[in-house]
Amino acid sequence: TQLLEQSPQFLSIQEGENLTVYCNSSSVFSSLQWYRQEPGEGPVLLVTVVTGGEVKKLKRLTFQFGDARKDSSLHITAAQPGDTGLYLCAGAEDSNYQLIWGAGTKLIIKP
Amino acid sequence: DAGVIQSPRHEVTEMGQEVTLRCKPISGHDYLFWYRQTMMRGLELLIYFNNNVPIDDSGMPEDRFSAKMPNASFSTLKIQPSEPRDSAVYFCASSLGQENTEAFFGQGTRLTVV
Repeated sequence: TQLLEQSPQFLSIQEGENLTVYCNSSSVFSSLQWYRQEPGEGPVLLVTVVTGGEVKKLKRLTFQFGDARKDSSLHITAAQPGDTGLYLCAGAEDSNYQLIWGAGTKLIIKP
Repeated sequence: DAGVIQSPRHEVTEMGQEVTLRCKPISGHDYLFWYRQTMMRGLELLIYFNNNVPIDDSGMPEDRFSAKMPNASFSTLKIQPSEPRDSAVYFCASSLGQENTEAFFGQGTRLTVV
């Protein structure tokens, strides 16, 4: 069974600071997705990375897929209170349609 | 499309009672997933269906849990009898299928068993 280890579990920082969330596995994924979940809602997809070494940007958010497709990171520049939420990574396997989920990073941005 | 629709949004029930959670996936999506989310265990996959057929139910915690998908537009997750440790938020999600694994989630059902 593949596992995705996500870190940190919890992060509370001031508005304007930068942060990075990591998602690591010992196994290879065909693609990796990042979701954000707000209180009282279900997770919503932010981005999917597919190619090893791929970097995608979504405004102040930068997503990277490791060269070996075993790890990924989410970097937020100049965090804002609106970035507050639970960030989840999920890996897709070639042989199995179900997603493998990380435990999530609860992010709080203080104004 | 209105997205994945779950009902009820909140459910409070007494231990031992039967609970039925409902889900309407996005039209045209071939896959439907039931998840449970708690602070302690995060997001756990309970069961998923492909074209209304259950594919993997290994995440269903025990025989008290059952799920059905009688047609492409409706699924239920039933707990009978319910126990306090079943308290959690239950999410239904659907995916288009083929090579698209993006999961679209409903708003969830917050279940409290007292």
